[in-house]
Amino acid sequence: NAGVMQNPRHLVRRRGQEARLRCSPMKGHSHVYWYRQLPEEGLKFMVYLQKENIIDESGMPKERFSAEFPKEGPSILRIQQVVRGDSAAYFCASSPVTETQYFGPGTRLLVL
Amino acid sequence: KQEVTQIPAALSVPEGENLVLNCSFTDSAIYNLQWFRQDPGKGLTSLLLIQSSQREQTSGRLNASLDKSSGRSTLYIAASQPGDSATYLCAVTPTGTASKLTFGTGTRLQVTL
Repeated sequence: NAGVMQNPRHLVRRRGQEARLRCSPMKGHSHVYWYRQLPEEGLKFMVYLQKENIIDESGMPKERFSAEFPKEGPSILRIQQVVRGDSAAYFCASSPVTETQYFGPGTRLLVL
Repeated sequence: KQEVTQIPAALSVPEGENLVLNCSFTDSAIYNLQWFRQDPGKGLTSLLLIQSSQREQTSGRLNASLDKSSGRSTLYIAASQPGDSATYLCAVTPTGTASKLTFGTGTRLQVTL
């Protein structure tokens, strides 16, 4: 059973471009969570999704950020018009129903 | 609003020492508490999970305790090794559902030869 997969592992974007981060949960997991780790800071919750539903987006910035978890395919975290302050490591986690969250290796976004 | 604090922020110990990492949280209404390990540039590895009804969990050289009423948890590492060098994070899940985790800022541990 492969773990949580995230791609790309590293992403470089110029200011104003779009960033798309993908997360494939572990097999059998229907719950996905996104967290952001800013440089020298702790991980902060962004959004919690189930298939085709956003359950809790209380940690998502109000603008430019969106997330989806379609019926088929990976979960996508989309950042429009990136700014330098978006540079961070973005981690995805998945869980079966409720219980332990398993984390992916993260995507490190660098905005130039 | 739940806040999680970890002390110390950094710790350096010689190989073989036993050590304790501390985690405190402000809201005792938690579903569970987890300890993670994060290696530089890598993801998170779950070390131990303690349910709110439990007092401690053990895995190998690791022992985690939970005192929910006082809002504290400790991670005890016995006979430390250089391979234990990493950042250790604690995280709590709010009561009622295993949804978002609130993380502490971590303790950066270095075990020297």
